[in-house]
Amino acid sequence: KAGVTQTPRYLIKTRGQQVTLSCSPISGHRSVSWYQQTPGQGLQFLFEYFSETQRNKGNFPGRFSGRQFSNSRSEMNVSTLELGDSALYLCASSGTDFYEQYFGPGTRLTVT
Amino acid sequence: GQNIDQPTEMTATEGAIVQINCTYQTSGFNGLFWYQQHAGEAPTFLSYNVLDGLEEKGRFSSFLSRSKGYSYLLLKELQMKDSASYLCAVRDHDYKLSFGAGTTVTVRA
Repeated sequence: KAGVTQTPRYLIKTRGQQVTLSCSPISGHRSVSWYQQTPGQGLQFLFEYFSETQRNKGNFPGRFSGRQFSNSRSEMNVSTLELGDSALYLCASSGTDFYEQYFGPGTRLTVT
Repeated sequence: GQNIDQPTEMTATEGAIVQINCTYQTSGFNGLFWYQQHAGEAPTFLSYNVLDGLEEKGRFSSFLSRSKGYSYLLLKELQMKDSASYLCAVRDHDYKLSFGAGTTVTVRA
């Protein structure tokens, strides 16, 4: 079974631009969660999607948004990028028991 | 919200045992997880506790006391490859996962 995949793996953007990151969950998993990881703040929850609906949201500004498609693939979008958005963005998928989250390799975003 | 505390760093010798403590304050509890994360890699699942007691999985064991808001991860027979960051995470009733800052474990020969 293929694992969680994320594209792109690395991204460099300029302040003020927007970015879209993609996550493909493990086949059969319907829950996708997104996290931001930085050295100073650790792993912080962004949002979770289940069956195309946002089920949970963390404490991030409205510049961070996401969506999930009918095939469970998910995208997250960050608009008006700031230097502080430089981070590793991880997505994780869960099966129906929500017991364990499987993480993808992450997208390393650098904002200059 | 959740408040999760764990030590920043720990160092131990190859073959030894290390215990990583995690305390949490939560507005709702629906399970505690431990993840391992090697530098530059994604976190990988180690253990899950939802009831009080000890869960053993090979060289790794995890303990939970819900009344005390306390968990620990026990790593036995340490190997060099165990050098990594260990993340304690608490899930609330909405299935939202909150992570601690992580404990960096360094295993020395």
